[in-house]
Amino acid sequence: GAVVSQHPSWVICKSGTSVKIECRSLDFQATTMFWYRQFPKQSLMLMATSNEGSKATYEQGVEKDKFLINHASLTLSTLTVTSAHPEDSSFYICSPRGGKVEQFFGPGTRLTVL
Amino acid sequence: SQKIEQNSEALNIQEGKTATLTCNYTNYSPAYLQWYRQDPGRGPVFLLLIRENEKEKRKERLKVTFDTTLKQSLFHITASQPADSATYLCALEAGGGADGLTFGKGTHLIIQP
Repeated sequence: GAVVSQHPSWVICKSGTSVKIECRSLDFQATTMFWYRQFPKQSLMLMATSNEGSKATYEQGVEKDKFLINHASLTLSTLTVTSAHPEDSSFYICSPRGGKVEQFFGPGTRLTVL
Repeated sequence: SQKIEQNSEALNIQEGKTATLTCNYTNYSPAYLQWYRQDPGRGPVFLLLIRENEKEKRKERLKVTFDTTLKQSLFHITASQPADSATYLCALEAGGGADGLTFGKGTHLIIQP
C-alpha cells in the first residue's frame, strides 16, 4: 500500500489560534488530495478536495476561509485551521490519491482546541 | 438522501469463528465499494475494493460480497483472531476517481479468545 505521513500526530492549541497540518505522500505522487475529519463515534466526513496547483473545493457546510488548503506539490498538502474554536476539535485525516482506485489515508492528526 | 448503514453496535465473535459484517446503502449507485480497518486514534487502512460488476472478492482470510440489487455488501473474516479486533468501515465512491469516499459509521468487532 501507499505510505502517507501526517504531522503533527496531535496538537493542542488555544481558541483563536491557527494550526497547520501537513500531509505527505512518501512513495507516490498525489494529483488529488482529500481531507476528512472524524468526530468521536462518527464516520469520516469529507471536508474538501484539492488538485495540485488548483484551488480546493469544499463540501457543503465546510467554511473555505476557515480551513485553508494548500496543495502546492504532488507530495505535500497542508490544511490550516484558522481561528480555531473548541468545536473544531476533531481527528483530521488526509487521503492523497495517485493513479490507483484504492484510497489510502494518513495516520491522522488529533486537534484539541481549548 | 444518500445513506450508508453499518451495524454500529459492537459485534462479539469467538476466536476461530467467522465474523460477518454488513453494509447497506440507499440512494446511491456506487462504482466501487471499499472496506477499511480503523484502530483507535489511527487513520483507516485499506483492506479490499470491489467493483459494481463483481460479486465477490477474496484476500487471504477476508471475503467481500457485493449485491447491487440488494444494495448490500457483506464482509467476512474467517478463522478470526483477537488481532482482528478493530472498527471496520464500509465506504462508497460514485466513480471517476475525482470524488472522495462516503463512509459508514463502522462496526466495532471484538474477537474474544
